[in-house]
Amino acid sequence: GAGVSQSPRYKVAKRGQDVALRCDPISGHVSLFWYQQALGQGPEFLTYFQNEAQLDKSGLPSDRFFAERPEGSVSTLKIQRTQQEDSAVYLCASSQQRGNEQYFGPGTRLTVT
Amino acid sequence: KQEVTQIPAALSVPEGENLVLNCSFTDSAIYNLQWFRQDPGKGLTSLLLIQSSQREQTSGRLNASLDKSSGRSTLYIAASQPGDSATYLCAVNPGNTPLVFGKGTRLSVIA
Repeated sequence: GAGVSQSPRYKVAKRGQDVALRCDPISGHVSLFWYQQALGQGPEFLTYFQNEAQLDKSGLPSDRFFAERPEGSVSTLKIQRTQQEDSAVYLCASSQQRGNEQYFGPGTRLTVT
Repeated sequence: KQEVTQIPAALSVPEGENLVLNCSFTDSAIYNLQWFRQDPGKGLTSLLLIQSSQREQTSGRLNASLDKSSGRSTLYIAASQPGDSATYLCAVNPGNTPLVFGKGTRLSVIA
């Protein structure tokens, strides 16, 4: 497909478990962003990649959150030892260059029980 | 720090009405501004993007305006339809930092 895809679409984790969320950006898009959206709120920035380089991770809420994009295409957001406050929708977006229009995936809804 | 505010938080209108959604931002130094639509349980669909040098953009029944100096944007929806029911998000792109979103306006169009 031509759009941004994310998997899984839904994830239920028990508190303390590790989870991995995947994002497939639009082919050729250099920039990739991760956002976290709590219920009833707008998305908030987590981290940004330009190709394989993670240039900004200032939005990651704790050191339990880790993201990578080793080959400059697919990205994985990993959350270790999940907590209830991690429950949210995690959105991935890509753009041709930073500052250009961002295209969003459908998101992964994470529920920590 | 850039902050984005959307008013109203929720809006309910009868089908066929024209309506305006408002977005304000605190720092006028922006690269562009995007309006998104989000359906329940779904991701974000980009509706319109306005570059900082532009005053407005139109797509079908949608018209977005930008007044950068006053830190305001509006999304005008003409002849609203029940299918327009969704949450509308405004996001500012400062250029060298990621998008900053408002909390959205939840729109219900009643048939």
